[in-house]
Amino acid sequence: DIVMFQSPDSLAVSLGERATINCKSSQTVLDGLNNQNYLAWYRQKPGQPPQLLIFWASTRESGVPDRISGSGSGTDFTLTISTVQAEDVAVYYCQQHYSTPYTFGQGTKLEI
Amino acid sequence: QVTLKESGPALVKPTQTLTLTCSFSGFSLSTTGVRVSWLRQTPGKAPEWLARIDWDGERFYRTSLKTRLTTSKDTSKDQVVLTMTDMDPGDTGTYFCVRHGILGSTRGNWFDHWGQGTLVTVSS
Repeated sequence: DIVMFQSPDSLAVSLGERATINCKSSQTVLDGLNNQNYLAWYRQKPGQPPQLLIFWASTRESGVPDRISGSGSGTDFTLTISTVQAEDVAVYYCQQHYSTPYTFGQGTKLEI
Repeated sequence: QVTLKESGPALVKPTQTLTLTCSFSGFSLSTTGVRVSWLRQTPGKAPEWLARIDWDGERFYRTSLKTRLTTSKDTSKDQVVLTMTDMDPGDTGTYFCVRHGILGSTRGNWFDHWGQGTLVTVSS
């Protein structure tokens, strides 16, 4: 199984500041045939299911604001929220969609 | 508009079999490339993928749970069913059904639509 590890476990930022969450996979999730990284990001607010933000490491899901972006390749990835707003308070997860079992990082709690 | 909704018992006893139904709308599991998975989550933990069923009937299971899981589909009813045998208190959690992402003609294994989840408690 591919193990996903996120850092930090929790993050406190002020409104309007930048937030950066890191995700590392135990093996590459880069498909050499199509040069795509099979890495997704979600956020989950209390009492709600996770919401897809990013897939293929940097492709924003429809409706996700452009202040949220993903980057990275191979085994190291980053989710960046350029200007944090109150609505961004949530737990963020990375997920590899490269191979079964699809696995998630342990989560990063973003607080204001 | 894509929606998914899980239904099933809120409480099961240890050793019993859990049967969950996912009723969905806005897509068809008879359409080429469509995939639906089941995941579960315990409070404070990350989601855990359990099983996947594809439009062509192919199924994939989490290796550690493979002997206990079965998933099936009823395309006429737009439903997917998950059964898990020999339930244990460690199986307590919220169970989600999800649709896999689709981008143009590409079918992916990210999860773009989630049900609200159904909480299952295993206790005698």
